Amino acid sequence: GAVVSQHPSRVICKSGTSVKIECRSLDFQATTMFWYRQFPKQSLMLMATSNEGSKATYEQGVEKDKFLINHASLTLSTLTVTSAHPEDSSFYICSARASGDWADTQYFGPGTRLTVL
Amino acid sequence: SQELEQSPQSLIVQEGKNLTINCTSSKTLYGLYWYKQKYGEGLIFLMMLQKGGEEKSHEKITAKLDEKKQQSSLHITASQPSHAGIYLCGAGGKLIFGQGTELSVKP
Repeated sequence: GAVVSQHPSRVICKSGTSVKIECRSLDFQATTMFWYRQFPKQSLMLMATSNEGSKATYEQGVEKDKFLINHASLTLSTLTVTSAHPEDSSFYICSARASGDWADTQYFGPGTRLTVL
Repeated sequence: SQELEQSPQSLIVQEGKNLTINCTSSKTLYGLYWYKQKYGEGLIFLMMLQKGGEEKSHEKITAKLDEKKQQSSLHITASQPSHAGIYLCGAGGKLIFGQGTELSVKP
């Protein structure tokens, strides 16, 4: 199956700093990438959808100025958590889809655990 | 907006037993995904169902889609400890997920 990587796998930062998380599709070109966050013992919550070369679409309640998403190429999307605070601590997972077709499978990265002190 | 309800929320079974996990949608299902997740890790794609009545199998895992009932079921035959994890159903163009079913398999 298709492989999606995330970097870093874990990050600990101080409150007020910014953190960048990378999501890469390794063996396919991803027209669309998605960012999710997951709190302990809970399901995944979609944060935003990004298409290569265009602005990301954010879900209701997600601050676009807080969570900056850049989908600069067909294999790379980045999520930057700006001015991170302890409540931003979570497990962030990206997924990638080869086409814009909803029926095309989304493949998920291994996730990034963010801890804000 | 579409919502997915999974049942049961957690399940503990003895190794070798069969089990079923259900996923019910608040809206018509045009397709449904099943994923497995180990806690703190990413999601592993299991299978996707697109048509009503469709049934797919992968090793000892079988999933069915009942469009009329807006429901899908995931069945594991002769469960093994390796089947333990969180099973998530997802649907929609922007995948939204059920709350997950945590499966534990006792040796």
